Amino acid sequence: EADIYQTPRYLVIGTGKKITLECSQTMGHDKMYWYQQDPGMELHLIHYSYGVNSTEKGDLSSESTVSRIRTEHFPLTLESARPSHTSQYLCASSEYQRVGDGYTFGSGTRLTVV
Amino acid sequence: AQSVTQPDIHITVSEGASLELRCNYSYGATPYLFWYVQSPGQGLQLLLKYFSGDTLVQGIKGFEAEFKRSQSSFNLRKPSVHWSDAAEYFCAVGAYGNKLVFGAGTILRVKS
Repeated sequence: EADIYQTPRYLVIGTGKKITLECSQTMGHDKMYWYQQDPGMELHLIHYSYGVNSTEKGDLSSESTVSRIRTEHFPLTLESARPSHTSQYLCASSEYQRVGDGYTFGSGTRLTVV
Repeated sequence: AQSVTQPDIHITVSEGASLELRCNYSYGATPYLFWYVQSPGQGLQLLLKYFSGDTLVQGIKGFEAEFKRSQSSFNLRKPSVHWSDAAEYFCAVGAYGNKLVFGAGTILRVKS
């Protein structure tokens, strides 16, 4: 049973379209993260949030934006999709006081921009 | 700053053979250490974790890892690999208040 949900699982979209990748968690975690990952490659942190109305850019520069209006919801938006945005996007969450629990990951969204 | 090195990008083992995936970390104090597994097209699943106590920790799916402070290592082992273990494995290090730092991953191939 997943505690963190990502939708859609797969998305094929044309260049120039605006897209929003959804991420929701039911664990009440205060910290949430977005990673970008090409197949078989390492994870790149692109955004994170330590709580409502808190968002920060990650280690890898990204043209996407995020928002955190509710604790459980951390959507990622691309205003104008390009083929270079084709990748897998992973959402994760964690509890600040329980760093020993690590992160819980969603199943990911595989984005293809044509 | 924390860092994690997984020296092996790819490893191929025969089904039934033993497995060891290497992980070295850099951190000033005793960190939290994790191993995650990722099947193709999926998110990451936690295999096991260590912070304190017994340096040999058991995880899910028959995996274990040993923390060696003197070598700054946290290697993942399995005595007998199954074809379903083929996946990518990530080592990660964390500390209170900080984000996890992930290694670059090791892709495990299992040949029959």
